[in-house]
Amino acid sequence: NAGVMQNPRHLVRRRGQEARLRCSPMKGHSHVYWYRQLPEEGLKFMVYLQKENIIDESGMPKERFSAEFPKEGPSILRIQQVVRGDSAAYFCASSSQGPEAFFGQGTRLTVV
Amino acid sequence: SQQGEEDPQALSIQEGENATMNCSYKTSINNLQWYRQNSGRGLVHLILIRSNEREKHSGRLRVTLDTSKKSSSLLITASRAADTASYFCATDAQSGGYQKVTFGTGTKLQVIP
Repeated sequence: NAGVMQNPRHLVRRRGQEARLRCSPMKGHSHVYWYRQLPEEGLKFMVYLQKENIIDESGMPKERFSAEFPKEGPSILRIQQVVRGDSAAYFCASSSQGPEAFFGQGTRLTVV
Repeated sequence: SQQGEEDPQALSIQEGENATMNCSYKTSINNLQWYRQNSGRGLVHLILIRSNEREKHSGRLRVTLDTSKKSSSLLITASRAADTASYFCATDAQSGGYQKVTFGTGTKLQVIP
């Protein structure tokens, strides 16, 4: 049973480009969380999704950011027209019914 | 302060000593968890303590929970250099009909060999 898989591990984008971050939850998990971590800081909640539904996106910027978790395939965090301030590590976590969340290794986005 | 706030922010100890980290939170919770993050890596789940539990052990880890004070502590006994990492507490609580997990800002632990 593979763990939470995130790809790519590292992503470099120029200002104005789009970034797509993928997260495949653990088998059997239908809950996905996305977090952002700036250097030397903690995790900031962005969005919580269940299959085909966004449950809570209160931590996600209203513009340029979107997330989905389709019935088939990975969850996608999409950042349009990236800016330097978007540079961070983005972590995905998945869970089943219980509270324990399993994390991926993260995607490190660098905007140049 | 935010839900799930750890202190100290940074801690440096000698190998073999005990390390204690604290976490305070604001709202009622169902569970509290501690995670570890090695530099540049994802988070690894260490231990979960339920709101009706007061203390829990796992190997060299000891977690306490005081719901009246809305605080928890993580004790690592006989620390090793490999324990060097950031440690986060995470609380989950009912929010708008679902369980929302919120992380603190973390304690950065350095264990000096």
